[in-house]
Formats: sequence, C-alpha cells, structure tokens
Amino acid sequence: ETGVTQTPRHLVMGMTNKKSLKCEQHLGHNAMYWYKQSAKKPLELMFVYNFKEQTENNSVPSRFSPECPNSSHLFLHLHTLQPEDSALYLCASSQGRLAGFETQYFGPGTRLLVL
Amino acid sequence: DAKTTQPPSMDCAEGRAANLPCNHSTISGNEYVYWYRQIHSQGPQYIIHGLKNNETNEMASLIITEDRKSSTLILPHATLRDTAVYYCIVRVNYMDTGRRALTFGSGTRLQVQP
Repeated sequence: ETGVTQTPRHLVMGMTNKKSLKCEQHLGHNAMYWYKQSAKKPLELMFVYNFKEQTENNSVPSRFSPECPNSSHLFLHLHTLQPEDSALYLCASSQGRLAGFETQYFGPGTRLLVL
Repeated sequence: DAKTTQPPSMDCAEGRAANLPCNHSTISGNEYVYWYRQIHSQGPQYIIHGLKNNETNEMASLIITEDRKSSTLILPHATLRDTAVYYCIVRVNYMDTGRRALTFGSGTRLQVQP
C-alpha cells in the first residue's frame, strides 16, 4: 500500500460512454499526476497538478478532462474515447513543496478497455 | 532531461546480487539519477536516487561512476518478488525547471530465477 488509491481498478467502456477515474491520496501531498501506460510503451505523463492548479499538460486530447477539487483528490473524466486509449492509467502524488527532490508515490492503476 | 540506456532484460538467480546497469553519458552536472521499479500490473515504486555519491538504503545500493556517465543499481540478495521492470531516470532538480513529471524509458525487465 502506497497511500494512493485508484477506483475503479478495471473499466470497460464503449466509445460513446462517459466515465470517470478517481484517485485519492492519504499522504498529505500537494502535487498529483496522471500517467498513461499503453501496452509495450513506456509510461507517459498526461497531467500534473500542484496545489490544485494544473502545471503540466502533455498535449493530451480533450476527450480526457482532469479535475482536481482539492489536494487529496484527482479525477480523470473520459468521453468519446477511442480503442487506442485502452491502457493502464496511473495516478501518483508527491509532496509538492519547493524542494529539489520529491519521491512520487503511485497508485495501483485503472486498467481501461475501450470497445 | 538526459537520455538513459538500459539493457532490455536480465536474469538473476535467487539469493544472488542483481546488478542493473544504466548508461547516461549526456548527463549534466545538476541532473540526478533515480531508480523506480514496476512489478507486473502495479504502479511504479521508488527505489533510490543519487547525484554524485554512492547511496544505499534498505532496498538497494546505487553506484555512480566518477564521471557520472553511468550507474549501477544493486539488489544485494535478489528474491522472486524482485522480478519487475526497473527504470533508470535522469532528471534535473525541480527548482531548475519547474517540471515535476518523470520521463520513463523502456527499463530493464529483471527476471529472478528460483
């Protein structure tokens, strides 16, 4: 257990569905992240939030919409996805302080299948 | 961030030391070396990091060459639970770039054999 939980753990959705992924961290951190891991590809960053403000966006298509209502919760809203969006979606958190090094703690991921 | 090169896969016998190399020949003076691992279908887990000096913690040791162009992660007594993909990541201090995200490569798939 890393202190970062993600729900659901598995999700199957159609291309016309709307769904949301949820991440919650119990570590008192202020920075939260969404990463995507497609089959046989390296993890790639999607979004970074620090103190509820989005600070990094890796040119993610608008069908992925993040929301960070507070420092403990992060959502990824999904709509009109494509089959190639099927992947493991990982949430992470870190302290978010103005320090040189921060350990990122990852959740277990949500495995998404788009049909 | 500097690019890293790792062998795609390695085998290690259970109970023996696992030595995972990483080449980062273009590393600059303010870049740190980090190691994470990802056990199958789980989120990555932080292992260790260093700048210039060798580092050791309860999980592993990190040996960085004097010219900092390569490093080795050492798991002193590998167990079956150490089977995972190991990622070597080189990146600058957040204070220098304002970027917090990690850039993962393909890593080394370590298979610990019984």
